[in-house]
Amino acid sequence: LAKTTQPISMDSYEGQEVNITCSHNNIATNDYITWYQQFPSQGPRFIIQGYKTKVTNEVASLFIPADRKSSTLSLPRVSLSDTAVYYCLVTRTGANNLFFGTGTRLTVIP
Amino acid sequence: DTAVSQTPKYLVTQMGNDKSIKCEQNLGHDTMYWYKQDSKKFLKIMFSYNNKELIINETVPNRFSPKSPDKAHLNLHINSLELGDSAVYFCASSNMDGGTEAFFGQGTRLTVV
Repeated sequence: LAKTTQPISMDSYEGQEVNITCSHNNIATNDYITWYQQFPSQGPRFIIQGYKTKVTNEVASLFIPADRKSSTLSLPRVSLSDTAVYYCLVTRTGANNLFFGTGTRLTVIP
Repeated sequence: DTAVSQTPKYLVTQMGNDKSIKCEQNLGHDTMYWYKQDSKKFLKIMFSYNNKELIINETVPNRFSPKSPDKAHLNLHINSLELGDSAVYFCASSNMDGGTEAFFGQGTRLTVV
């Protein structure tokens, strides 16, 4: 599975939109891009998954360009409770594994 | 109802002891995992089981032995505990065919003294 690279940390003020970009240059045709969120002292939680173009749910949006070598997780109007580590993963149905990188530590400032 | 539950939540033990962490999922998933998150917060896969069969065994000392009595349970037994085993251990489950959304337990914080 393709390795992912994302910023180590980001800060944002409450109410702002936050975009976290992840690069996955070696993504394969049958791979998906999946994002997880982890709060302190909790296990990671699935946020969103996409294959191409744009996916939106009640929590976030995921933008994937045509070449799929990168993706951007967009969190609208963040609040203090969005402070967490966000992991970008390249995943494959049937692969039986989920490899987590270093993640991006997002700190929301009042 | 907790989807993936692990017990105990905290475990403090002395070096050299043997301990087990239990994990159960009630989601009907066919794949279960064990992850280790160390003090630097790196989350590393240790084992993956699919329908009670070991699929992935990452570079983990053989003091760690997973046991899957049925596809809803994946327990982790650790022999001869060492200081470096101190970490948070997460159990997770997913469906292999239904995509790769995995559900994680709340973690077991193991402290070896």
